[in-house]
Amino acid sequence: DMKVTQMPRYLIKRMGENVLLECGQDMSHETMYWYRQDPGLGLQLIYISYDVDSNSEGDIPKGYRVSRKKREHFSLILDSAKTNQTSVYFCASSLGTDNTEVFFGKGTRLTVV
Amino acid sequence: GDSVTQTEGQVALSEEDFLTIHCNYSASGYPALFWYVQYPGEGPQFLFRASRDKEKGSSRGFEATYNKEATSFHLQKASVQESDSAVYYCALSVSGSWQLIFGSGTQLTVMP
Repeated sequence: DMKVTQMPRYLIKRMGENVLLECGQDMSHETMYWYRQDPGLGLQLIYISYDVDSNSEGDIPKGYRVSRKKREHFSLILDSAKTNQTSVYFCASSLGTDNTEVFFGKGTRLTVV
Repeated sequence: GDSVTQTEGQVALSEEDFLTIHCNYSASGYPALFWYVQYPGEGPQFLFRASRDKEKGSSRGFEATYNKEATSFHLQKASVQESDSAVYYCALSVSGSWQLIFGSGTQLTVMP
């Protein structure tokens, strides 16, 4: 069963708290992604990971960092969350070629108050 | 940088209407082009792709043709159903980097 699993699905944090969003995939995909989705903006790439400990910034990396210590897991960390980081975050994975399908998780809705 | 433009933010149709959602792109090189669909509470799902000029991608009655000259990849369906109501995203894959760049999305609402 090909799946990308995100935990938690919903999260409320206070401004200044640290946030950890976790993602796993069971397809042995090399490439994993973190996107955020905001109304009117679509999906914006935060980070891309090409394999364990091989991560690159996407279009909006400021305020975020990532960790990938195992191929099947990819974490997104917000150190000292800000209210403008309230969003829906999607993790995704792919085989990692230019025209391959990207598989998405169901998303984590993060609210920073 | 590379980008994707979807001009319609929202489209409202009745069942059996013809659908067109416009997608234009700007990219260096020769990107692969994609359509994804997102239902409420779900992540985007791959619909289909096209990788070269004049190639047609299709799935579930939806289709789009890669037009390199016009830098377009417009989504069409001859007869929409209520179950097609969703957000549709056009995307391109940046050549050599495996990054997927999305347009802003189009909310399709089909009324019975």
